[in-house]
Amino acid sequence: DTGVSQNPRHKITKRGQNVTFRCDPISEHNRLYWYRQTLGQGPEFLTYFQNEAQLEKSRLLSDRFSAERPKGSFSTLEIQRTEQGDSAMYLCASSRAGGNSPLHFGNGTRLTVT
Amino acid sequence: GENVEQHPSTLSVQEGDSAVIKCTYSDSASNYFPWYKQELGKRPQLIIDIRSNVGEKKDQRIAVTLNKTAKHFSLHITETQPEDSAVYFCAASGHQGAQKLVFGQGTRLTINP
Repeated sequence: DTGVSQNPRHKITKRGQNVTFRCDPISEHNRLYWYRQTLGQGPEFLTYFQNEAQLEKSRLLSDRFSAERPKGSFSTLEIQRTEQGDSAMYLCASSRAGGNSPLHFGNGTRLTVT
Repeated sequence: GENVEQHPSTLSVQEGDSAVIKCTYSDSASNYFPWYKQELGKRPQLIIDIRSNVGEKKDQRIAVTLNKTAKHFSLHITETQPEDSAVYFCAASGHQGAQKLVFGQGTRLTINP
């Protein structure tokens, strides 16, 4: 499967701990996106990269959240001092640049904060 | 910013019948409208998309229509099959080429055999 890969699939953590998720996009895609999905809702945009540059961040993304894409390939999303409200599915997607290229999503990382 | 409303939230149809899901959007600058299908515990998968210079697009049993004046678009599934059961999301992109999709709330479609 050469689709978008996310690790881990599931993460359970205690409130106040830091967590980091990884996303490996489709290799020829230079855009990478992070979305968050809570139960019964559609995905919500968090941030996106074109190559290694983080071009946009949602106002939903508090300063406890940071995303990186250091070499323009894989990306990490870190949440510091987790809160119960951070419990959600974190979805990564990738696309080619230019025009309205379709987004291809990964299977997500399900975060549970206890 | 963009706001997307999706209806109905749940839809149950008999196998072989048609299903229609409707979405409205608020930003007249939006120009890209994809539909995603998400099965339980799986990734959202793109099933069809339409751009603002097109009024209708078909792919086998699936079609999407777009009315830019009224700012609404719809997904039509004909000859429904049990494997069509899933949650369907519409989305709109309000930024040229940026793909910052705003999703609707989703429709849980159940196909009854």
